[in-house]
Amino acid sequence: EAGVTQFPSHSVIEKGQTVTLRCDPISGHDNLYWYRRVMGKEIKFLLHFVKESKQDESGMPNNRFLAERTGGTYSTLKVQPAELEDSGVYFCASSLKSGGRETQYFGPGTRLLVL
Amino acid sequence: AQKITQTQPGMFVQEKEAVTLDCTYDTSDQSYGLFWYKQPSSGEMIFLIYQGSYDEQNATEGRYSLNFQKARKSANLVISASQLGDSAMYFCAMRDPGAQKLVFGQGTRLTINP
Repeated sequence: EAGVTQFPSHSVIEKGQTVTLRCDPISGHDNLYWYRRVMGKEIKFLLHFVKESKQDESGMPNNRFLAERTGGTYSTLKVQPAELEDSGVYFCASSLKSGGRETQYFGPGTRLLVL
Repeated sequence: AQKITQTQPGMFVQEKEAVTLDCTYDTSDQSYGLFWYKQPSSGEMIFLIYQGSYDEQNATEGRYSLNFQKARKSANLVISASQLGDSAMYFCAMRDPGAQKLVFGQGTRLTINP
């Protein structure tokens, strides 16, 4: 069974440009999460999808970030326009069900560098 | 608000020794879950072990065990007979029942020396 995949693995862009990150969850996983780790800091939650609906987007830093999950399958996270402080590693995770002993399985992350 | 604290930014251990990675947490909830993840240099986050707050026994998964002390709010990861491949970042995380998101600590970088 394929794990969570993320594309691209690395992205280097200039301030003011737009970047779109993609996440493909494990097949059949209704729950999809985005997290971010800024250099030297904790991994922080961004948002949570259940199928195609946003369940919790309390961690989204501002309106320059837009997440979508088309048809409840893959998800995209767009940053427009990118700022220097957006640099970091963006992780996607998925899980089969919510709550209880639910385990979130993470992808390898996308390393974003904004110059 | 929930908080996870990992006080060891880095640890160096000789191969085959046991190692304990510290994790303390702060929550007012009675029901919660605690997780440990490993992040090798390749970057992926690998789930290691889970402990539920109502679990009566400490969780174990192969060489990994979780030393859960509820009254002290600690959930230390113990790796027995360390191997070179255990060198990685280790993250402790918590999930509360009200939300599905994980709250992470800052991580501990473990280096196993031959």
